[in-house]
Amino acid sequence: NAGVTQTPKFQVLKTGQSMTLQCAQDMNHEYMSWYRQDPGMGLRLIHYSVGAGITDQGEVPNGYNVSRSTTEDFPLRLLSAAPSQTSVYFCASRRGYNEQFFGPGTRLTVL
Amino acid sequence: GQQLNQSPQSMFIQEGEDVSMNCTSSSIFNTWLWYKQDPGEGPVLLIALYKAGELTSNGRLTAQFGITRKDSFLNISASIPSDVGIYFCAGQLRDQGAQKLVFGQGTRLTINP
Repeated sequence: NAGVTQTPKFQVLKTGQSMTLQCAQDMNHEYMSWYRQDPGMGLRLIHYSVGAGITDQGEVPNGYNVSRSTTEDFPLRLLSAAPSQTSVYFCASRRGYNEQFFGPGTRLTVL
Repeated sequence: GQQLNQSPQSMFIQEGEDVSMNCTSSSIFNTWLWYKQDPGEGPVLLIALYKAGELTSNGRLTAQFGITRKDSFLNISASIPSDVGIYFCAGQLRDQGAQKLVFGQGTRLTINP
């Protein structure tokens, strides 16, 4: 199993540009989530999904959209990037109440 | 929203020393988790605690789930260079029908050889 994979690993955007951060898992986990990590802030939940076709907002959802058309994929979209969205983004997945597995992260810089 | 206070924020120790860090919250959690993050990587689970008062070990790591369910600590004995990294506590609770994780701010551990 590849586990949780994320692409790209690094990305630089200009303010106002849009992009999609990709996340995929091959463990047949129903629960997937996106976090952002900022210095001194720990990881904060952006959006999560409890299964294909079901998504919900986390702690810091503004400026981000998600969809879950398949069990495997959970992309995160930035419609109009802002400097405040400069961060490291982690995707994670788990089955039920079991261990949550994290991807390697995407480091995003918005100029 | 729920918040976790993790301390200390950073530690600078000598190799071989013991390490202790803790997390406290005003909220009750039904699970406490401790993660370690290496540079350029995602967090990896070290220890999971599921019952109040539970004390669990994983090699040189020991963690406890506080009796009040509002706190947890992690101890590392006889530290070695590969222990360097950022340690996160996380509390898991059910919120509006979904299981959510709330993370502490992290403890950055640096070890002098």
